[in-house]
Amino acid sequence: KQEVTQIPAALSVPEGENLVLNCSFTDSAIYNLQWFRQDPGKGLTSLLLIQSSQREQTSGRLNASLDKSSGRSTLYIAASQPGDSATYLCAVLGNQFYFGTGTSLTVIP
Amino acid sequence: GAVVSQHPSRVICKSGTSVKIECRSLDFQATTMFWYRQFPKQSLMLMATSNEGSKATYEQGVEKDKFLINHASLTLSTLTVTSAHPEDSSFYICSASTTAGGTDTQYFGPGTRLTVL
Repeated sequence: KQEVTQIPAALSVPEGENLVLNCSFTDSAIYNLQWFRQDPGKGLTSLLLIQSSQREQTSGRLNASLDKSSGRSTLYIAASQPGDSATYLCAVLGNQFYFGTGTSLTVIP
Repeated sequence: GAVVSQHPSRVICKSGTSVKIECRSLDFQATTMFWYRQFPKQSLMLMATSNEGSKATYEQGVEKDKFLINHASLTLSTLTVTSAHPEDSSFYICSASTTAGGTDTQYFGPGTRLTVL
């Protein structure tokens, strides 16, 4: 069964720092991997989608990489801002969706 | 941990029929449930937010008369795709939110793959 793990579970950084969130999965038979942002009481906001044939995707200050063979993905956030504070989830799509447990990010002004 | 189930996991139907998808929180009460869909090669997108006992709030571009959401109890929400067409074929996923323990946490169902012929 697919297992998705996110490290660290929580992260606190000062504003302006670059940071990396990690996501690992046990079964490389996936269609895609997605990174989401979750704000309290709100639905998920999709950040980046990486198809299984792709290696990375970029959107603004965000860059996500995918190494399917090693079962890893990273989300890189450049020049972090207080508004980036949220929980970040990764999810892989195989025969069903599998979500990681999330990384709670706090960016301190 | 908290478990959210969806039924059915996979459904194939003819164009013009209606399909109901159930989302259940098995061991906790969820005041809020979210419905998402993912078209092939696209990101998972929020369709609507459903609070128990009240009308769902739909995202822009989602037809509320086509995607009927009922959140009749704290453990069950249903999504009915009415008069389904092939372009409705998608992966539909729900999540259930709880604030037990002092933090707002969402738990996700495994998804329902809908294919409309």
